[in-house]
Order: sequence, then structure tokens, then C-alpha cells
Amino acid sequence: GQQVMQIPQYQHVQEGEDFTTYCNSSTTLSNIQWYKQRPGGHPVFLIQLVKSGEVKKQKRLTFQFGEAKKNSSLHITATQTTDVGTYFCAGPPYSGNTGKLIFGQGTTLQVKP
Amino acid sequence: KAGVTQTPRYLIKTRGQQVTLSCSPISGHRSVSWYQQTPGQGLQFLFEYFSETQRNKGNFPGRFSGRQFSNSRSEMNVSTLELGDSALYLCASSPRVGDGASEQYFGPGTRLTVT
Repeated sequence: GQQVMQIPQYQHVQEGEDFTTYCNSSTTLSNIQWYKQRPGGHPVFLIQLVKSGEVKKQKRLTFQFGEAKKNSSLHITATQTTDVGTYFCAGPPYSGNTGKLIFGQGTTLQVKP
Repeated sequence: KAGVTQTPRYLIKTRGQQVTLSCSPISGHRSVSWYQQTPGQGLQFLFEYFSETQRNKGNFPGRFSGRQFSNSRSEMNVSTLELGDSALYLCASSPRVGDGASEQYFGPGTRLTVT
């Protein structure tokens, strides 16, 4: 079945350093969504990318969707302690007929002040 | 608007018992999905409901079932509980029908522990 993989699984950075997590799907995605889950919390929707090669920015966060719509990345510039959490990418099967999301395993970010 | 609410927040059950979890979506959202989150398997899709109909189902045994009411509230039931069912069960609502292009708004989850 469809798989969504994320790397790295864990990342420790010093506050102020940049951070990037990568997401790869075994199949083409109709869209990719990113979520953030703080420790002890629940996933919170960050953004959705739909178009091939799309790039979107939210303040210090930059999201990219690959040309082949099979991979995506999230880059955080100058991390802050508030960025701590697990970042998940998720996408539906390309059949597009489902509200089912396949989630990556997530990248857990730790930021040292 | 109030967010997605789930009850109860915490639950401890014994193997072999059954459990019912409840979810109230954001007002106006008609699509409700359920996910299981465990450290080992991550976030896994259970099922999705829209207009009281199950639209999609994940790869879980028949012990896992759900339903949706006319007010969009949803319940999921797990029968004959096993130790491996211990997990955080998350409900998510969405403003649009499940075409996969709609963001999910998650509730705080129900932490189920099976002993």
C-alpha cells in the first residue's frame, strides 16, 4: 500500500539554527498537508500544498511540494523554542476519492535554548 | 468557533471489555475521521464518516466500528479490547467532503489504556 516516509526521525538543534524535514511518498499525491504536534498535544494543521513545485511561506516556515508530487519539505529558519514538537506530513491516495490521510512517521524537533 | 471535542479524555479498560468514544466536530463540519496514534505505528487512519455514512475505512479489524449521527457527532466503538489497542484515539473534523483536499482539525484525543 501507499507509504509516506519522513526523515530525519529526530533532530536536535541549537536555538537560531535552521531545520529541515523531508517527506517522501511511494505514490503520487493529489496534495500534501503538514501538521505540528506539540508534546502532549494533538496534531494542528499548518498548511496544504496542491500544485506541482508549489512553495508556500509562513513567517519562518517554508513548505515545498516536489515537481513529481511525491515529495515535500518543511524548512524552519532560525528555530525558536516554540518550534519544539513533531512535524507530520500527510497525503491522500492520488485517487482523490477519499478523506483518508496517510501520515508520515513524523520528525521530532528539539531546540536547545 | 469551539474546536473538536472528545470524551472521555482518559480511559482505562480491561482486556476483553468494550469501549465507546465520542467526538463532536466543529460546528458546520460534516466530515469526521478517526485516527489511532501509537509510538510504534504513528498516526493511522481508522475511518471517515460523512452524512451518517462511512466513506472510507482503514486497515483495522472488525472490532473497530463507528457511526455518525444526524448532528454530525460521531462515536467509535472497540469491542473485545486487546492490550495492543492502548493508544491515543484522535477525532478530526473537516469542512468539506472527503476528497482528500481538506484540512483536518483534530480534537485533543482520548487516551485509552488496556490492562
